[in-house]
Amino acid sequence: EAQVTQNPRYLITVTGKKLTVTCSQNMNHEYMSWYRQDPGLGLRQIYYSMNVEVTDKGDVPEGYKVSRKEKRNFPLILESPSPNQTSLYFCASSPGTPLTEAFFGQGTRLTVV
Amino acid sequence: AQSVAQPEDQVNVAEGNPLTVKCTYSVSGNPYLFWYVQYPNRGLQFLLKYITGDNLVKGSYGFEAEFNKSQTSFHLKKPSALVSDSALYFCAVRDRKGYGQNFVFGPGTRLSVLP
Repeated sequence: EAQVTQNPRYLITVTGKKLTVTCSQNMNHEYMSWYRQDPGLGLRQIYYSMNVEVTDKGDVPEGYKVSRKEKRNFPLILESPSPNQTSLYFCASSPGTPLTEAFFGQGTRLTVV
Repeated sequence: AQSVAQPEDQVNVAEGNPLTVKCTYSVSGNPYLFWYVQYPNRGLQFLLKYITGDNLVKGSYGFEAEFNKSQTSFHLKKPSALVSDSALYFCAVRDRKGYGQNFVFGPGTRLSVLP
């Protein structure tokens, strides 16, 4: 089954404790992206990657890091989480043309206390 | 810059009645428009898209959307609403950044279908 898998689904952590949210896709997609969803703001892009070792900042990259060492994986790293990073996070992938839809993971609900 | 507006935070409709969820956009060049739905505790699911061609686009679960270039709108519609359609709906447009792969999303509209 074609899918984007995120882990964990839920995470509660404390300020300053480094964490990683994993994202993996099994569709051989070139493009992957991370979004955060906040009430009234829709989804805002954090980082995206067009291919292995090619990453770029989205609209809200501050406080986040990503890496793309393999085509299928695109982890999101919070080196020193803060309460304003409490949000719902989504990973997405797509084949690499503007005409195709993106596939989204199930989401990771992060709470930073 | 590309932008998407969804003027209604919440839409309530009775089961069996037609529903409309509104979306307007601002883009430079030809728009590639999408609708996604988010059910509770789930990721976003693709409903339909407009790339070119017919202004009326048909999608999943009986939904359709009408593209109107002069009004820069892409409203989502369904002739007869179901309680199971209750969810959060997002309109999105492809951004020129990111090799045309990035999305710009609207803020979302919560649809409640009342039995």
